[in-house]
Amino acid sequence: NAGVMQNPRHLVRRRGQEARLRCSPMKGHSHVYWYRQLPEEGLKFMVYLQKENIIDESGMPKERFSAEFPKEGPSILRIQQVVRGDSAAYFCASSETFSSEKLFFGSGTQLSVL
Amino acid sequence: AQTVTQSQPEMSVQEAETVTLSCTYDTSESDYYLFWYKQPPSRQMILVIRQEAYKQQNATENRFSVNFQKAAKSFSLKISDSQLGDAAMYFCAHKSRGATNKLIFGTGTLLAVQP
Repeated sequence: NAGVMQNPRHLVRRRGQEARLRCSPMKGHSHVYWYRQLPEEGLKFMVYLQKENIIDESGMPKERFSAEFPKEGPSILRIQQVVRGDSAAYFCASSETFSSEKLFFGSGTQLSVL
Repeated sequence: AQTVTQSQPEMSVQEAETVTLSCTYDTSESDYYLFWYKQPPSRQMILVIRQEAYKQQNATENRFSVNFQKAAKSFSLKISDSQLGDAAMYFCAHKSRGATNKLIFGTGTLLAVQP
């Protein structure tokens, strides 16, 4: 039973380019969460999605960031026109139910903006 | 709003010794979960232990145990018989019971284990 899979593991982008981060939740999990970890900080919640729905995006910056979790395929976190401040590790996590305390994390995508 | 504070940026322990990592939190809720996650250099977030606030008994998982002081809003992690593989960043986190998995994390404690 594969865990939460994130790709790519490392992503390098130049300022102004787009970054697309992918997350496949654990088998049987339909709840996905994205967290961001800035250097020297803990993880901060960005967005919570169920299949085809955004449930809570209170932690997501209002501009340039978007997330989706289509009926088929992985969840995507998209960052348009990246800036240096977007450089961070982006983690995806999944759970079986919305309130389950058993949250499983992927290994993250390290985004570096040059 | 909930906050989680880890006041020890770095800690060091000798192999086979015991170390305690501190965590305090602030919440107005009476029912919630607390967690300790381990993040080794591989960056994988690994759940070490969790505590339900309504349970008075401290959670234990093999060499890992917590000292949960609800009134003081303190949640420390004790690692006994430390091993080289315990070296990692440790994060304390809070989650409201019944809410979505919107965890609030502390800033972490980097644990070094000396052979």
